[in-house]
Amino acid sequence: AQSVTQLGSHVSVSEGALVLLRCNYSSSVPPYLFWYVQYPNQGLQLLLKYTTGATLVKGINGFEAEFKKSETSFHLTKPSAHMSDAAEYFCALYSSASKIIFGSGTRLSIRP
Amino acid sequence: NAGVTQTPKFQVLKTGQSMTLQCAQDMNHEYMSWYRQDPGMGLRLIHYSVGAGITDQGEVPNGYNVSRSTTEDFPLRLLSAAPSQTSVYFCASSYSAGVSYEQYFGPGTRLTVT
Repeated sequence: AQSVTQLGSHVSVSEGALVLLRCNYSSSVPPYLFWYVQYPNQGLQLLLKYTTGATLVKGINGFEAEFKKSETSFHLTKPSAHMSDAAEYFCALYSSASKIIFGSGTRLSIRP
Repeated sequence: NAGVTQTPKFQVLKTGQSMTLQCAQDMNHEYMSWYRQDPGMGLRLIHYSVGAGITDQGEVPNGYNVSRSTTEDFPLRLLSAAPSQTSVYFCASSYSAGVSYEQYFGPGTRLTVT
């Protein structure tokens, strides 16, 4: 069965520090992976996606993620956190039959 | 373009009442879906549609009905509301069902069932 696990329901970093949000997946077929961001009281928007090709994927707002097949991971990073990055982040896996499986989410807080 | 719109933004229902959550998109997207978001559980797929007249069940379809008579609209019906249906509901659409196509989400409907 396909699944997505996000490690850490809440991550807090200082402004200017590295952001690292962890995502591991399980899939019996080559995975297609996404990161979505949800700002307070809003819907989700796509940050970045991995389908095929380059394993380091760059997204919006300075975020990037690296697909590591050997570790079944797709961690999200940003070199320097900004106050505006405070939000909830969801890792997701494209399943068969037109479905996307979402992780449980990680809330990112930024300390001044 | 308005994108994906949802109404109402907030709703309180009593147990046993029925209601319809509205979703519309103006991007001519074929694929539309409904999710519910609960704390610590991420988003779970309720129903989805790959085109007008075609719907299918997702992960948690019980207690919900959908229909897709037009490309633009994809309403979600709660047949007999239960407290377990208290949640935030999101509608999403994309150009097609394939993995290459980004899903666009509406702003959500916060539903409380007492």
